[in-house]
Amino acid sequence: EPEVTQTPSHQVTQMGQEVILRCVPISNHLYFYWYRQILGQKVEFLVSFYNNEISEKSEIFDDQFSVERPDGSNFTLKIRSTKLEDSAMYFCASRTGGFLAYEQYFGPGTRLTVT
Amino acid sequence: DAKTTQPNSMESNEEEPVHLPCNHSTISGTDYIHWYRQLPSQGPEYVIHGLTSNVNNRMASLAIAEDRKSSTLILHRATLRDAAVYYCILRDDTGNQFYFGTGTSLTVIP
Repeated sequence: EPEVTQTPSHQVTQMGQEVILRCVPISNHLYFYWYRQILGQKVEFLVSFYNNEISEKSEIFDDQFSVERPDGSNFTLKIRSTKLEDSAMYFCASRTGGFLAYEQYFGPGTRLTVT
Repeated sequence: DAKTTQPNSMESNEEEPVHLPCNHSTISGTDYIHWYRQLPSQGPEYVIHGLTSNVNNRMASLAIAEDRKSSTLILHRATLRDAAVYYCILRDDTGNQFYFGTGTSLTVIP
C-alpha cells in the first residue's frame, strides 16, 4: 500500500539554524500539507500546497517557514532560523485531487528538537 | 473554522462497542464531519467521514444527528489496537484545512 514517507525521523538542531524537513507524498496525489504537534498538544495545521503554490496557511506559518516541491516527488518544509518553540513533531500529509477526495494520508512524522 | 467538542478521555472493555461523541453545534450546511485517529507515536489516520447520512466502513460507523449538531463514532468491537486519540474534525467546503481539536483519548481495557 502506498504511503507518505518523511525524513529524517529525528532532527536535532541549534537555535538559529536552518532546517529542512523532507516528505515524499504518495505519487498520484496533488494536495500536500504540513502539520505540527508540540509534545502533549493537538495537531496544528501549518500550510496546504497545490499546483506549486501555497493554497492556505495558518497564523503559525510566518516568514520563518517556507515550503517547496523541488521535483516531482519531494515536498519540503524549511524553517529559516529555528527557535526553541519550534520543537515539535512535524507531519506531512497528501491527498488526491477533487473535493470528494476526503482522506488525507499522513506520514510518520519528523521529531524536531531545537536546543 | 467551526469548533468541535469531545470528551477528553473514555474507557472501554476489549471486544465491547464504543460510542465516541462529538458536538459541533456551529456546523455549517457544507461542512463534512471527519474522524481521524492517532495511535501512539504515529501520524493521524483517517477513520470515516459523512455529511448527513449515517455511514459504515470496515473500521467504524458514523451516526450523525438529524440536525447535524452532533455525531457519534461507533467502534463495534474495541480491540487493544484501537487505543488512540480520536479526533472529530469539520472540513469546510474549500476542502483544504483540517483543524484538529484536542480529541478523545480512548483506553481499551483487556
